[in-house]
Amino acid sequence: AQTVTQSQPEMSVQEAETVTLSCTYDTSESDYYLFWYKQPPSRQMILVIRQEAYKQQNATENRFSVNFQKAAKSFSLKISDSQLGDAAMYFCAYSGGSNYKLTFGKGTLLTVNP
Amino acid sequence: SAVISQKPSRDICQRGTSLTIQCQVDSQVTMMFWYRQQPGQSLTLIATANQGSEATYESGFVIDKFPISRPNLTFSTLTVSNMSPEDSSIYLCSVGRDLLFFGPGTRLTVL
Repeated sequence: AQTVTQSQPEMSVQEAETVTLSCTYDTSESDYYLFWYKQPPSRQMILVIRQEAYKQQNATENRFSVNFQKAAKSFSLKISDSQLGDAAMYFCAYSGGSNYKLTFGKGTLLTVNP
Repeated sequence: SAVISQKPSRDICQRGTSLTIQCQVDSQVTMMFWYRQQPGQSLTLIATANQGSEATYESGFVIDKFPISRPNLTFSTLTVSNMSPEDSSIYLCSVGRDLLFFGPGTRLTVL
């Protein structure tokens, strides 16, 4: 069974600084997707970034980028120039095989300090 | 991306009653899922809602407790039956294949 581990229950960062959130996963699949979702207090799940396992190039979306290490099964999220609106719970998630089901980590609560 | 709506957005229910949550998508989608997020926890998949056939439930979830309907490719319902306080959670529907989008969620409180 696939598992996703986020070892940082909470993180904090100063506004305009950079923060990295960690995620590791375990799978026997060779083809899969990895995601970071953001959940602000409104509880809406917002897709931040997606990485396809067969792509070696790390995904980037504006201030958000990932460090995907397939051999190490590591998938960290870097947020640059942090903004107050980035404060939220961040979930790492895995989707593999043909069923497209998501397996989530326990989440990391990010606080952004002004 | 798909636009997903859920009704109700929140509800407070009495123990022993049932609540049906609706999920409406603005376009036809093949894959639709129902997730539960218990207070302070991560999301757990309840079931995959299959159009024209019975839903596929994950371990620990059963049809008698969480009956699901999927009458067409844009709509699904999840019923939480015979509720207890342990069912107090946020229930979210999601759609997609290799890119999954979520509805706004239904916050359920059971007294």
